[in-house]
Amino acid sequence: NAGVTQTPKFQVLKTGQSMTLQCAQDMNHNSMYWYRQDPGMGLRLIYYSASEGTTDKGEVPNGYNVSRLNKREFSLRLESAAPSQTSVYFCASSEVGGFNQPQHFGDGTRLSIL
Amino acid sequence: GENVEQHPSTLSVQEGDSAVIKCTYSDSASNYFPWYKQELGKRPQLIIDIRSNVGEKKDQRIAVTLNKTAKHFSLHITETQPEDSAVYFCAASSNYKLTFGKGTLLTVNP
Repeated sequence: NAGVTQTPKFQVLKTGQSMTLQCAQDMNHNSMYWYRQDPGMGLRLIYYSASEGTTDKGEVPNGYNVSRLNKREFSLRLESAAPSQTSVYFCASSEVGGFNQPQHFGDGTRLSIL
Repeated sequence: GENVEQHPSTLSVQEGDSAVIKCTYSDSASNYFPWYKQELGKRPQLIIDIRSNVGEKKDQRIAVTLNKTAKHFSLHITETQPEDSAVYFCAASSNYKLTFGKGTLLTVNP
């Protein structure tokens, strides 16, 4: 099993460009999450999907949109990238809904906005 | 909302010594406390977790303790090895939110 797979691994964008970060899990998990990790800030939740067909805002949703395409896939879109969105983005999944379950992380996407 | 404080931010120990990382949380509704290890450039990986109905949990050289009254929990690593060097994150969760601490950089010197 691959677990949680994120693409791309690295990306450089110019301010104002758009892009979509892809995430897929093969563990038949119901819940999926997007985090960003900035130096000294820990992991902060951007959006999550408790189950297929639902999405909800996390702590830092501004400037992002998400799509839960099916049970396996959860994408994160930056419509108009800003330098403040330079970060490492992690996708995670958990077996059932609710935040009191172990989360399994992907390898991350390192995104730089110039 | 939940606030998770983690200390120390950096910790350096000699191989074979013990390491202790402490976290405090603010929301008394929090009931799940995972610990993640993140090696440089890698994904966070769950190493141990504890629920609010348990005071202590061990897994080989790693243990976690929870004091609900004081709202703090700690990670204990015994007989540290160089491969334990990483950033460790604590987190506290209710049903609706998982809040991470800012991390502790542990360095184990051979």
